[in-house]
Amino acid sequence: NAGVTQTPKFQVLKTGQSMTLQCAQDMNHNSMYWYRQDPGMGLRLIYYSASEGTTDKGEVPNGYNVSRLNKREFSLRLESAAPSQTSVYFCASSGWDMNEKLFFGSGTQLSVL
Amino acid sequence: GEDVEQSLFLSVREGDSSVINCTYTDSSSTYLYWYKQEPGAGLQLLTYIFSNMDMKQDQRLTVLLNKKDKHLSLRIADTQTGDSAIYFCAEILSNDYKLSFGAGTTVTVRA
Repeated sequence: NAGVTQTPKFQVLKTGQSMTLQCAQDMNHNSMYWYRQDPGMGLRLIYYSASEGTTDKGEVPNGYNVSRLNKREFSLRLESAAPSQTSVYFCASSGWDMNEKLFFGSGTQLSVL
Repeated sequence: GEDVEQSLFLSVREGDSSVINCTYTDSSSTYLYWYKQEPGAGLQLLTYIFSNMDMKQDQRLTVLLNKKDKHLSLRIADTQTGDSAIYFCAEILSNDYKLSFGAGTTVTVRA
């Protein structure tokens, strides 16, 4: 039971570089999410996808783009990384009912120099 | 977002009870959650309570909900070293059904 798988686990970028964080879930969940976690600020929602084919902005979408490639996969792209995007990123998924619990990946620690 | 408020740190002696407090803002929240994050890992759902309940008990965990004051607490009885983690309170926002998390309370269990 893999659950939610994120890659990579660690990444260091230079300012202005681009990269894509990958996320896949094997639980046949409809909804997928990207969060960032910063010290003392909890988790903030970047983007989410309520179902395959749809994506919506969360609380802090600036500087990011997402793609819901299929039901399993939801990627997060940084087009031009900035030091303010240094954070730990978590992908999560949940079933059709949005009151259902979130299942989280193990996180990607990103440093932008 | 910071609609949900929690104290940032709690230190507790092994074997004592831990109480983590949280205040939330959406009086129409249907579910309130406690998530646990162990070092280097993602969040895992620890327990949750439906808004029409005042209390929920699950083994060593007791959740208390005071809807009037919008206050949620998590009590861990007989705290063990394995309980050292960050605990997040979260509420479902009634306007868009997304989760809003608090900043997390880092619980340190000392011998």
